Amino acid sequence: EDQVTQSPEALRLQEGESSSLNCSYTVSGLRGLFWYRQDPGKGPEFLFTLYSAGEEKEKERLKATLTKKESFLHITAPKPEDSATYLCAVQAAYDKVIFGPGTSLSVIP
Amino acid sequence: GAVVSQHPSRVICKSGTSVKIECRSLDFQATTMFWYRQFPKKSLMLMATSNEGSKATYEQGVEKDKFLINHASLTLSTLTVTSAHPEDSSFYICSARLAPGELFFGEGSRLTVL
Repeated sequence: EDQVTQSPEALRLQEGESSSLNCSYTVSGLRGLFWYRQDPGKGPEFLFTLYSAGEEKEKERLKATLTKKESFLHITAPKPEDSATYLCAVQAAYDKVIFGPGTSLSVIP
Repeated sequence: GAVVSQHPSRVICKSGTSVKIECRSLDFQATTMFWYRQFPKKSLMLMATSNEGSKATYEQGVEKDKFLINHASLTLSTLTVTSAHPEDSSFYICSARLAPGELFFGEGSRLTVL
């Protein structure tokens, strides 16, 4: 069965304290792995798509990496405005996209 | 980036009534749209895949007679919650596929059934 897990469930960082979020997946025929950011009461905002092991993408303080079994979202020197829930999703067959439970990030000034 | 608009953003209705939620891709055509449901502090649960001009594909456990999906044009998909009950109260989010692997989400619609 296709499955996506994320850890930790919640993460609290001091401003400037770098860290990583993990996304582990089990899916047959991975066609893509996505990272989204979601603010309370809003729809997810697209961040990155990764397609193959070894691929990396960067955007401002965020960097996403992909292996055959997991992906990491590295946050370098986070700021309070980076506080949000970060969702990982995988695209399996037939464009079906399965979301993980998310990591709630709080960055304290 | 591509824009997906969802309407209404909030709706309150009485138990037993039906509610329609619209999902529009504003600056691109989407042959495939997806409907998700999100419970408080939980992730998105895929409800169904909506394909333009054909019947929607529902995920296991989702009642197709309760959640009617219509994808009548390349820019519009609708979700109708029929005979809504309090347990249908939730945050419903749609997404539209711009290209393989590129999904853009609407802002979501919060449904409250009294």
